[in-house]
Amino acid sequence: DTGVSQNPRHKITKRGQNVTFRCDPISEHNRLYWYRQTLGQGPEFLTYFQNEAQLEKSRLLSDRFSAERPKGSFSTLEIQRTEQGDSAMYLCASSHGVQEAQYFGPGTRLLVL
Amino acid sequence: GNSVTQMEGPVTLSEEAFLTINCTYTATGYPSLFWYVQYPGEGLQLLLKATKADDKGSNKGFEATYRKETTSFHLEKGSVQVSDSAVYFCALSPIQGGSEKLVFGKGTKLTVNP
Repeated sequence: DTGVSQNPRHKITKRGQNVTFRCDPISEHNRLYWYRQTLGQGPEFLTYFQNEAQLEKSRLLSDRFSAERPKGSFSTLEIQRTEQGDSAMYLCASSHGVQEAQYFGPGTRLLVL
Repeated sequence: GNSVTQMEGPVTLSEEAFLTINCTYTATGYPSLFWYVQYPGEGLQLLLKATKADDKGSNKGFEATYRKETTSFHLEKGSVQVSDSAVYFCALSPIQGGSEKLVFGKGTKLTVNP
């Protein structure tokens, strides 16, 4: 078991461009979470999946954000028409059910110029 | 709503000093409580957890006790090492015994000098 992986690790883009991040959870973990972390702050919950179903989205997740987990395995987070305020670390975590702790990936650091 | 408040850092200690990082929370119901650690350039790692009142979580010499009466979950270690230098995050889950939609504090940066 290699842990949660995220790609890319770093992304620099220009304002207005679309970006997509990928998260591969620990195998057999049915829950997958996305968080956003800005400098000097703790992570903030964005959304989560149980298998392929997206169960909840935070109000932080504007219409420009969309997340999918099509086969209940890996997940993608897409940001359309990026803004400078989207610059942050995007973290993915997975767990084996609601009773188990979440295990985090290394994150994708996004910089919007 | 649910929230977590941590003592502000940074905290600088000498090796073998005693560490306390304060954490208090506000939550409805009976949350689960966690401490995560983030080493430089790495993702968050679960350090310890407690799922009900009076539970004590422990790992790698760190301890924290779930105190419902004071709504606190302070992190302690009797003798810190240089390798403990990291950012520590207190977090809660609103689900008793579970881990869901974690709410994090702002983090406390710890630096341990030799």
